[in-house]
Amino acid sequence: ETGVTQSPTHLIKTRGQQVTLRCSSQSGHNTVSWYQQALGQGPQFIFQYYREEENGRGNFPPRFSGLQFPNYSSELNVNALELDDSALYLCASSPRTSGRVDTQYFGPGTRLTVL
Amino acid sequence: SQQGEEDPQALSIQEGENATMNCSYKTSINNLQWYRQNSGRGLVHLILIRSNEREKHSGRLRVTLDTSKKSSSLLITASRAADTASYFCANHGGTSYDKVIFGPGTSLSVIP
Repeated sequence: ETGVTQSPTHLIKTRGQQVTLRCSSQSGHNTVSWYQQALGQGPQFIFQYYREEENGRGNFPPRFSGLQFPNYSSELNVNALELDDSALYLCASSPRTSGRVDTQYFGPGTRLTVL
Repeated sequence: SQQGEEDPQALSIQEGENATMNCSYKTSINNLQWYRQNSGRGLVHLILIRSNEREKHSGRLRVTLDTSKKSSSLLITASRAADTASYFCANHGGTSYDKVIFGPGTSLSVIP
């Protein structure tokens, strides 16, 4: 167990709907990253939040947005869902130190199915 | 593409044998991590190897890094059935870890 939790575990939506996924970071971690993992593939970086600001973004359209709260928990919002958004969504937290890469600790993921 | 490449895509071995997985990138490798994932669940961190390191050990795991060849390998010695999982490498770009690029993974099956 990493101490990173995600909710919900599973979610089924229909095309065009909107979804919000939640992540609680491990205690003491101020950075949260979100990834999308399609079946049989490696995780794809969506974006990262550090102290409530977006701190880097992958090749995902603006309908993927996020928030980080003062307690460092985070939300991933996806608008206008498409069938290809069906995937496992992973969040990872890490304790960002000055200029040094730190280990990311992953949550168990949210399985999103878009019908 | 910045995505990493891993080989083999799938590996099946007998319990007790060693398993070697390789990872390479077209862009420079700065800090590389290896992860394990069981049955589509969350990723478990195995080893972080920094760009100034060439080899690192953790229990039955041995990771090497060759920055000139932009490649890394993960060796699992004396494999166990419980090692059955998918293994991913992830490249952190530069000193900032704003963007992490994962490889497609190697699916390892250890047969009892």
